[in-house]
Amino acid sequence: QSVLTQPPSASGTPGQRVTISCSGSSSYSRSDYVYWYQQLPGTAPKLLIYRNNQRPSGVPDRFSGSKSGTSASLAISGLRSEDEADYYCAAWDDSLSGAWVFGGGTKLTVL
Amino acid sequence: QVQLQQSGPGLVKPSQTLSLTCAISGDSVSSNSAAWHWIRQSPSRGLEWLGRTYYRSKWYNDYAVSMKSRITINPDTSKNQFSLQLNSVTPEDTAVYFCARDLTGGYLFDYWGQGTLVTVSS
Repeated sequence: QSVLTQPPSASGTPGQRVTISCSGSSSYSRSDYVYWYQQLPGTAPKLLIYRNNQRPSGVPDRFSGSKSGTSASLAISGLRSEDEADYYCAAWDDSLSGAWVFGGGTKLTVL
Repeated sequence: QVQLQQSGPGLVKPSQTLSLTCAISGDSVSSNSAAWHWIRQSPSRGLEWLGRTYYRSKWYNDYAVSMKSRITINPDTSKNQFSLQLNSVTPEDTAVYFCARDLTGGYLFDYWGQGTLVTVSS
């Protein structure tokens, strides 16, 4: 069972703003950073957001991240058909000698 | 531009050893500002971090507790690559395996290998 909980699905229409949540359990340090990844079918995940709200070079500013306490969110504004993908959050888990852990993923459908 | 190229068999028999290699271009396995990870993905377990190797004046390895008794990640500086060995595999180890880089400054898993589907079956 993941220490990071995401809704299994989300949806929106083109142009809309959607948010995906990532809720941490007690073993996830509230002081740690959250990272977000986008995975298109048949490909490796791609880093979208690092350290809660930073975008790597090349990631559109339609994608934004935020974190409060042990909960984080990914927001996608101006939704486009190519945003249809699986989205994962990740963070460091302090329990069991420490490990990087991922949320279960959210399948985003663009209607 | 960093590239990670994975290689290794796609089929492993139960109880045998899974071995994969990740060749690095555009960076160095001995970099003092990078760490090199293995991650796997399966429908039942989702994305699962397996472990990492990194160099900070000497070599370090960290492994997921669930893997610790079976896993080895080794750097190969002569070929600028790193490897994964997972012993005593069972069908539960069937997954797509990825290698990935982590760069100091918060760039966690900023580059990934292409993924290798490893099936454990007799």
